[in-house]
Amino acid sequence: GAGVSQSPSNKVTEKGKDVELRCDPISGHTALYWYRQSLGQGLEFLIYFQGNSAPDKSGLPSDRFSAERTGGSVSTLTIQRTQQEDSAVYLCASSLGSGRADTQYFGPGTRLTVL
Amino acid sequence: GENVEQHPSTLSVQEGDSAVIKCTYSDSASNYFPWYKQELGKGPQLIIDIRSNVGEKKDQRIAVTLNKTAKHFSLHITETQPEDSAVYFCAAAGADGLTFGKGTHLIIQP
Repeated sequence: GAGVSQSPSNKVTEKGKDVELRCDPISGHTALYWYRQSLGQGLEFLIYFQGNSAPDKSGLPSDRFSAERTGGSVSTLTIQRTQQEDSAVYLCASSLGSGRADTQYFGPGTRLTVL
Repeated sequence: GENVEQHPSTLSVQEGDSAVIKCTYSDSASNYFPWYKQELGKGPQLIIDIRSNVGEKKDQRIAVTLNKTAKHFSLHITETQPEDSAVYFCAAAGADGLTFGKGTHLIIQP
């Protein structure tokens, strides 16, 4: 079956531009997560969506970062006025259950490069 | 919140030998411990996981052990093969979600 998909796979942008990253979770998965992975580093939690509940935005590094999830499925992560330090791989994951300790399945990521 | 430490950061083993990666966690309430394998240019893939009600789980050449008293868990890969070369991440899950270790780059020497 289809796994988590993300687009684009690569994005190169200029400093100061806005970017949108898209995530399609596994069908039927109610939870969706965004993470950031800098070169050679672990996974940094950004935001968590669960059903119709208010998202947990506690990991967003600044107000330039925002995310939405429409219809409980597709999610978009938006970064406004990009900075060079935003360069990283942005990973999306989804899980079936409602608990934060459920198994997460990751997409291939979007590699963002800010020039 | 939870803090996960992972060691070593790089591990080089001869093909056919065993590899062990260790992680410690700080939150005694954490009850789920997955391991992910990440190949270059790909997203992390779940390879094995363990919940706090068991001490060991095995799947072919891969096994995970959990010591809740000491708050540490380990990944064991036996009879390593070239395709095992990747970055491996441990994670611990509690009420706040998954917290990941910083990863171990496993290199299999031919």
